[in-house]
Amino acid sequence: EAQVTQNPRYLITVTGKKLTVTCSQNMNHEYMSWYRQDPGLGLRQIYYSMNVEVTDKGDVPEGYKVSRKEKRNFPLILESPSPNQTSLYFCASRTGVWTGELFFGEGSRLTVL
Amino acid sequence: DQQVKQNSPSLSVQEGRISILNCDYTNSMFDYFLWYKKYPAEGPTFLISISSIKDKNEDGRFTVFLNKSAKHLSLHIVPSQPGDSAVYFCAASAESNSGYALNFGKGTSLLVTP
Repeated sequence: EAQVTQNPRYLITVTGKKLTVTCSQNMNHEYMSWYRQDPGLGLRQIYYSMNVEVTDKGDVPEGYKVSRKEKRNFPLILESPSPNQTSLYFCASRTGVWTGELFFGEGSRLTVL
Repeated sequence: DQQVKQNSPSLSVQEGRISILNCDYTNSMFDYFLWYKKYPAEGPTFLISISSIKDKNEDGRFTVFLNKSAKHLSLHIVPSQPGDSAVYFCAASAESNSGYALNFGKGTSLLVTP
């Protein structure tokens, strides 16, 4: 089954404790990206990657890092989480680098105390 | 700066009737538009898209209309069914330094009542 898998789905952590949200896709997609969804703000792109070892900032990259060492994986790293990073995070991938529909994971709800 | 706007946070429609969800955009460079549907505790799922060279695209009960001069698109669902109750996001993209990043609206919550 074609899917984008994120882990963990739910996490409560404390300020400053590094965490990683993993994302894996099994569709051989070149393009992957991370979004966060906040009430009243919709979905905003954090980082994206057009291919292995190629990553770039989206609209709200502050406080986040990513890496793309393999085509299927695109982890989101919060080196020193803060309460304003409490949000619902979605990983997504798509076939084409420039166009095509995005396939989303089920989301990771992160709470930073 | 919100480039894609969905000005109706919610919409309630009776089963069997037409649901019309609206979306406006400000960036004239957008050339690809999509609608996504989201149920609680799930990721958004792709519904339908339209390229700027068209003004209409249809897929079963779902039709998207694009009015480029007005920078407006709409999603029509006919007939509406209770299972259509979800949050609908409009999204738009344009080739840019960020690649074809999708710019999303804030969403419209549709409730279809029996």
